[in-house]
Amino acid sequence: AQKVTQAQTEISVVEKEDVTLDCVYETRDTTYYLFWYKQPPSGELVFLIRRNSFDEQNEISGRYSWNFQKSTSSFNFTITASQVVDSAVYFCALKPGGSTLGRLYFGRGTQLTVWP
Amino acid sequence: GAGVSQTPSNKVTEKGKYVELRCDPISGHTALYWYRQSLGQGPEFLIYFQGTGAADDSGLPNDRFFAVRPEGSVSTLKIQRTERGDSAVYLCASSLPERSPDTQYFGPGTRLTVL
Repeated sequence: AQKVTQAQTEISVVEKEDVTLDCVYETRDTTYYLFWYKQPPSGELVFLIRRNSFDEQNEISGRYSWNFQKSTSSFNFTITASQVVDSAVYFCALKPGGSTLGRLYFGRGTQLTVWP
Repeated sequence: GAGVSQTPSNKVTEKGKYVELRCDPISGHTALYWYRQSLGQGPEFLIYFQGTGAADDSGLPNDRFFAVRPEGSVSTLKIQRTERGDSAVYLCASSLPERSPDTQYFGPGTRLTVL
């Protein structure tokens, strides 16, 4: 079975705080891809990052960083020095298999609110 | 360049009616996906096309739902005999697996309300 769990339904922080969004996935495939998307109030899903199952290096992009740990089947997302514009729903997604095509399995999302 | 576009942005219909939702993928993208997102949930897969053919339609909930992509570009999702439970945001995504494997780029969605 393929499954993504985002246990945090809602998180509220004050601007400049760091925040980590958790993502745990389940798959029996040895090759797979993991994604994070941002959905601001406008509704459009914005791609943030893609990682494949063979690359466990952590990644940093500006204030964003991702921690991928196969041992715990987790792919967590940290925002450093959060800003009001970071307020959105964040989705973690899984694409099982090594094919370049295929459906995504999404978690239920985490609503992040950053207060000024 | 232009992103994925979807029309209409909002559609209100009555129970039992037929609706069509349109998706224009990013130019040149060969793969096209449809998802449905209910309030407070993540997107759920419906169907995807590679070129003109439906490669996986296992997410379509029943035979009232049908999608086409006759020329390998624009796609239409068709819902017959709509029910109140069909109310959701219908999202379309496209990708170019030959160059950027597995990254799906989403449109703004069509909010369908069935009264």
